[in-house]
Amino acid sequence: SAVISQKPSRDICQRGTSLTIQCQVDSQVTMMFWYRQQPGQSLTLIATANQGSEATYESGFVIDKFPISRPNLTFSTLTVSNMSPEDSSIYLCSADRDLGVETQYFGPGTRLLVL
Amino acid sequence: SQKIEQNSEALNIQEGKTATLTCNYTNYSPAYLQWYRQDPGRGPVFLLLIRENEKEKRKERLKVTFDTTLKQSLFHITASQPADSATYLCALDRNDYKLSFGAGTTVTVRA
Repeated sequence: SAVISQKPSRDICQRGTSLTIQCQVDSQVTMMFWYRQQPGQSLTLIATANQGSEATYESGFVIDKFPISRPNLTFSTLTVSNMSPEDSSIYLCSADRDLGVETQYFGPGTRLLVL
Repeated sequence: SQKIEQNSEALNIQEGKTATLTCNYTNYSPAYLQWYRQDPGRGPVFLLLIRENEKEKRKERLKVTFDTTLKQSLFHITASQPADSATYLCALDRNDYKLSFGAGTTVTVRA
C-alpha cells in the first residue's frame, strides 16, 4: 500500500496570491490526481498529473489557474493561482494503488481559506 | 447530464443495527463501482470495489450490491459500531482510469 503526504495541511491566504501544494507518495505510482472538495460536496477532479508531460485538465479547470507539476513518479505539486474566496476548499491528491488496479489512495488534504 | 446521487439525509442508527446506503447514477456505464470511507479532516479510504458482472461483494461486516439495470448500488454495514461513524462515498468508473464521486452519506452510530 502507498502512503501519501501533503504539505501544507492548511493555510490562510490573501486574495490575489498563489499557493503551491505538495504531494509526496512513498512509492512509485503511475497516475496521480488532484481533487477539490468543497464543504458538504463531492470530490471534483481538477486534473491528472502526468509524469514528463503536461497535466490533463477536467472541464472547467485551466492550467493558468491550477498549474501542476509532476517531475517524477512519486511527487506532484498543484498551484492555486491568483486566489479568490471562491477557491477556499480542501484540495486532495491521490494516486492509483497499483498498476492495473483501479482504486486510489488519497492524501490527507490541504485545507485552504482565502480571505 | 451525468449524476451520482447518494442518500440526501444523514443516517443515524443504533449500535448493532444495519446501515443501508444507496448510490444511484444516471448517464454512466461504469465497469465497476467503489465505496470509500472519509473521516473528518482526512482523505477518503478505499473499502470495496464491485464490477459490473458481480451482483454482491462482502468484506467483513460490509456488503455491497450492484444492479446495472436499476443503476444502483447498495452499501450495507451490519452489526454497526460507533467506530463506523463516518461519511461514505460512492465512486464510479468513468472508463478512463478516473473516478466520479457522489457527495457522500454521513453515518452516525449511537452507542
